[in-house]
Amino acid sequence: GDSVTQMEGPVTLSEEAFLTINCTYTATGYPSLFWYVQYPGEGLQLLLKATKADDKGSNKGFEATYRKETTSFHLEKGSVQVSDSAVYFCALSKAAGNKLTFGGGTRVLVKP
Amino acid sequence: DAGITQSPRHKVTETGTPVTLRCHQTENHRYMYWYRQDPGHGLRLIHYSYGVKDTDKGEVSDGYSVSRSKTEDFLLTLESATSSQTSVYFCAISGRGLASGRDEQYFGPGTRLTVT
Repeated sequence: GDSVTQMEGPVTLSEEAFLTINCTYTATGYPSLFWYVQYPGEGLQLLLKATKADDKGSNKGFEATYRKETTSFHLEKGSVQVSDSAVYFCALSKAAGNKLTFGGGTRVLVKP
Repeated sequence: DAGITQSPRHKVTETGTPVTLRCHQTENHRYMYWYRQDPGHGLRLIHYSYGVKDTDKGEVSDGYSVSRSKTEDFLLTLESATSSQTSVYFCAISGRGLASGRDEQYFGPGTRLTVT
């Protein structure tokens, strides 16, 4: 079946550091790929998405490129802030109901 | 923000009792989902609905049932709660357009359930 693997956390960074969270997937066909973010005590929010190979999703300074040849969708941000401290989830979906398959989540802690 | 509410937000119950969680949306989205979130597992799909009275199982459906009698409400029932069902439960909606797999999901605030 489909699966998503992302790096385990926690990832601890200093403010203004560069952030990368690796995400790889296994799926048949052509899934859409998503990054969701969960702030403490809240539900998940969509951060960005890409629906076909070579698409780049971007939002709030975060970027991720859909790489079909390496089945990856790594999340990057050039300069993190304390407010970026959260848990980040990589996910994929295919047709038939937009069902999401999630990775295990990566907790990011940004220190001032 | 998508209009999704979940009730209750917190619940403590005893093993063997029935529990019903409610998800309510005001967005008229076609699809609704129930997930559970556990440490190390991310979110796992329990059940989902693709329309009124149309539901299907997800990957962790054992011990859970659902019902959707109207577009805006999706109920998750634990027939006889067990300690392994202690978790945070999230409802989500999607489907402004066709079921292309490209539509993102919008999540509710979650329900923290503790089974003692």
